[in-house]
Amino acid sequence: EPEVTQTPSHQVTQMGQEVILRCVPISNHLYFYWYRQILGQKVEFLVSFYNNEISEKSEIFDDQFSVERPDGSNFTLKIRSTKLEDSAMYFCASSDPGQVKNIQYFGAGTRLSVL
Amino acid sequence: RKEVEQDPGPFNVPEGATVAFNCTYSNSASQSFFWYRQDCRKEPKLLMSVYSSGNEDGRFTAQLNRASQYISLLIRDSKLSDSATYLCVVSPMNSGYSTLTFGKGTMLLVSP
Repeated sequence: EPEVTQTPSHQVTQMGQEVILRCVPISNHLYFYWYRQILGQKVEFLVSFYNNEISEKSEIFDDQFSVERPDGSNFTLKIRSTKLEDSAMYFCASSDPGQVKNIQYFGAGTRLSVL
Repeated sequence: RKEVEQDPGPFNVPEGATVAFNCTYSNSASQSFFWYRQDCRKEPKLLMSVYSSGNEDGRFTAQLNRASQYISLLIRDSKLSDSATYLCVVSPMNSGYSTLTFGKGTMLLVSP
């Protein structure tokens, strides 16, 4: 069964450092998303991406965040200068434009720990 | 104001029990509705979409009441493997891309 893959599974970084979280969406999917989940809290939308541009972003997704699709398979989330409060689980998701419902499939996530 | 609100839980039930989860959403423009399950420190996984007429998938039954902006999930004959957090999720779009808005989830613990 096709799946969304994310790397690394756990990233530890120092406050102020840049991190790049990587995702490989399901191959025939065209819509890509990043969500995050702070420990003990709900899953929150960050950004959606389609046709090589951001479709929608939340107020969490400020200037410190950026997304990119550098090639035909990868989708990345960059945090320029990490803060302690960026510590969370980051989930990548993708969806198929041909589906009737907006069903999104999630990767296993990257746990980001900012020290 | 919470956009998607769920029973706080946890629900502790014995194997074989029937358990119901409730969810309300505040955005009346919501068009798509889902139940996801999330195991501890894992990704959300789609359990089932929720249709206006209600739908069933094996031991799981979902209901939607648009007038009351209310969604429910019923699990019959609970198994140990049903232990997880159940997430109520809504979206303003019925197709294409759109953001998903998650509830905080209700934890279910099924004991032998």
